[in-house]
Amino acid sequence: DVKVTQSSRYLVKRTGEKVFLECVQDMDHENMFWYRQDPGLGLRLIYFSYDVKMKEKGDIPEGYSVSREKKERFSLILESASTNQTSMYLCASSPGTPNEKLFFGSGTQLSVL
Amino acid sequence: GQQLNQSPQSMFIQEGEDVSMNCTSSSIFNTWLWYKQDPGEGPVLLIALYKAGELTSNGRLTAQFGITRKDSFLNISASIPSDVGIYFCAGQGPGTYKYIFGTGTRLKVLA
Repeated sequence: DVKVTQSSRYLVKRTGEKVFLECVQDMDHENMFWYRQDPGLGLRLIYFSYDVKMKEKGDIPEGYSVSREKKERFSLILESASTNQTSMYLCASSPGTPNEKLFFGSGTQLSVL
Repeated sequence: GQQLNQSPQSMFIQEGEDVSMNCTSSSIFNTWLWYKQDPGEGPVLLIALYKAGELTSNGRLTAQFGITRKDSFLNISASIPSDVGIYFCAGQGPGTYKYIFGTGTRLKVLA
């Protein structure tokens, strides 16, 4: 089975801090995604990556950046955390071809105080 | 971002009953995925559909890819208490790696 591992289940940070969320997948998938999930707003795409060092903005990239130096690892960076970035963050991966399954990690619940 | 219309939004059912929910889109999809999410957890993939008209089962769950390619259905037979959670669909259109997600159906099972 595909395993998508997010490094933290819960994080509490202060406003203005730089925050790193890490995600690792073990199935040699080409595509990796970062979403945030908020009540009433559903899943919203922040960034995705279709190859090492390649990235594309999603629907809500403002305030975030990403890094993919190795195929299996995709990091989400909050340059200067703000309270409106309190959310559940979900990492996902899929193989490199269209019409494929999307697998999620367990999520990181981030609280910014 | 765009969300798929999913209904019902929530439902209470008696243990042992069958459940149906559906997702509709204004555009066609090549792939439909169905997930279950428990509180505080990531979504778990239940069923994947790739062809119009396709009917696929996973235990008590059955999903169908609509003929028009603009909708999909999920049925749960003989529900049990552990079926409680949020179910949502995801669709992927032609020529894109991005997925669009449904608004979710919250299922509560009364023992």
